[in-house]
Amino acid sequence: GAGVSQSPRYKVTKRGQDVALRCDPISGHVSLYWYRQALGQGPEFLTYFNYEAQQDKSGLPNDRFSAERPEGSISTLTIQRTEQRDSAMYRCASTLGPNQPQHFGDGTRLSIL
Amino acid sequence: RKEVEQDPGPFNVPEGATVAFNCTYSNSASQSFFWYRQDCRKEPKLLMSVYSSGNEDGRFTAQLNRASQYISLLIRDSKLSDSATYLCVVDSSASKIIFGSGTRLSIRP
Repeated sequence: GAGVSQSPRYKVTKRGQDVALRCDPISGHVSLYWYRQALGQGPEFLTYFNYEAQQDKSGLPNDRFSAERPEGSISTLTIQRTEQRDSAMYRCASTLGPNQPQHFGDGTRLSIL
Repeated sequence: RKEVEQDPGPFNVPEGATVAFNCTYSNSASQSFFWYRQDCRKEPKLLMSVYSSGNEDGRFTAQLNRASQYISLLIRDSKLSDSATYLCVVDSSASKIIFGSGTRLSIRP
């Protein structure tokens, strides 16, 4: 597609459930980033990939969070045993390469009940 | 101390005014700098990159001061459509991107 596509747009689930958030980057973009954004705050870095390799996962809050990009294109962010504090907007961005401007998707609004 | 800090505002200025924001960063090894704009409930969008020599794009001017570790954004002749949150972005190291919390700008008629 022309832009970064994220799905689902909205996800409401009960705490304790696992969720998987998908990001389809701009075709040909090498780098893919995941962020979490709380209301009134800037995006908070979670993790990033170059091609299929996860380069930095230092922003993942704890071991319930994981991400993969097995073929160097689509990425999935998985949150296991969700908690209410996981509720936020999760954003994905892709770039042509390191140090390049980022292109964001519309985000997934996650609400944990 | 946060790696990237911005004045959260809000800045409330009349149409036509000039307004400036600063953003400080802590990692002296940072390589790349950007300003993004984010409208309410929308995704951040690139406004402009910030180059060492300073750069201008129409009514917008960005500057980088490596010695003092800050970047700035100047908006001249502000328009109602400039109302948004402006995010300072620093490529901290090894492509770890750090966003500031954003500065809210509101332009009044």
